[in-house]
Amino acid sequence: QLQMQESGPGLVRPSETLSLTCSVSGGSISSGAYYWGWIRQPPGKGLEWIGSVYYTGITYYNPSLKSRVTISVDTSKNQFSLRLTSGIATDTAVYYCARSMGVAPFDIWGQGTLVSVSS
Amino acid sequence: QSVLTQPPSVSAAPGQKVTIACSGTSSNVGKNYVSWYQQLPGTAPKLLIYDNNKRPSGIPDRFSGSKSGTSATLDITGLQTGDEADYYCGAWDTSLSAGVFGGGTKLTVL
Repeated sequence: QLQMQESGPGLVRPSETLSLTCSVSGGSISSGAYYWGWIRQPPGKGLEWIGSVYYTGITYYNPSLKSRVTISVDTSKNQFSLRLTSGIATDTAVYYCARSMGVAPFDIWGQGTLVSVSS
Repeated sequence: QSVLTQPPSVSAAPGQKVTIACSGTSSNVGKNYVSWYQQLPGTAPKLLIYDNNKRPSGIPDRFSGSKSGTSATLDITGLQTGDEADYYCGAWDTSLSAGVFGGGTKLTVL
C-alpha cells in the first residue's frame, strides 16, 4: 500500500522560502503512470492546487504561484519537494502531497502538514 | 475565488438523497474528467469519484457522479451521519494547464 508523508518546518518567516519534502513508500515514484503533486488548504478554506511533477522532471504549476514555486523530484530517494519563495502570510496553510493518475485526479494523499508564515 | 463553482452548503435528513453541483467552463469541466473528494473534519481529502462517474475500490455505490456539458454532480443516497464532511470537485483546466478545484460544499446530515 503506497503511503506519502510530508515533512518540513512548521514555521517560516515572511520573505523566506518555504521548503517541504514528500517521502513516498510502498511504491516507486518512477512509476510512469503517475504525477506527484502539491495541494494546499488555508485554515478554514478550500483546496488550491500548487503544481505537479513527473518522475522525469516535467512540471506543471498553478499560474498564480508560478513565479515563486519550484517542484522537483529525487528518484534515488523516492521523494519530491516543494519550494515556495518570498513567503507571505497568505501562504499559511496545510500542505498536502498527493499522487495523481496523469495530472488529475489525486488518488492517494499524505496526511498534510501545517506551515505558518509569521514573524 | 475558485475556478469551479459549488454551493457552500447542502443539507438533508438521514436516509435521504442529496445532490452537490459543480459548475465550470468549456476549458475544464466541459473538456476534461471531473473528480470528487470527501474531506472529513481534520483529515486529508479522499477520492470519491474520478473520470466523472467511476468509484475507486472501497467507495460505496451510495456515491455516484455524472457530468453534462460544463456541469457535474455528485449524488449521495441513503445519507448517514458519517457522511457529514466537505466535498470538493476538481478537474484539469486545459487553458490554464493547471488543476482546479471548486470552493467546497459542506454537507450537513440533519
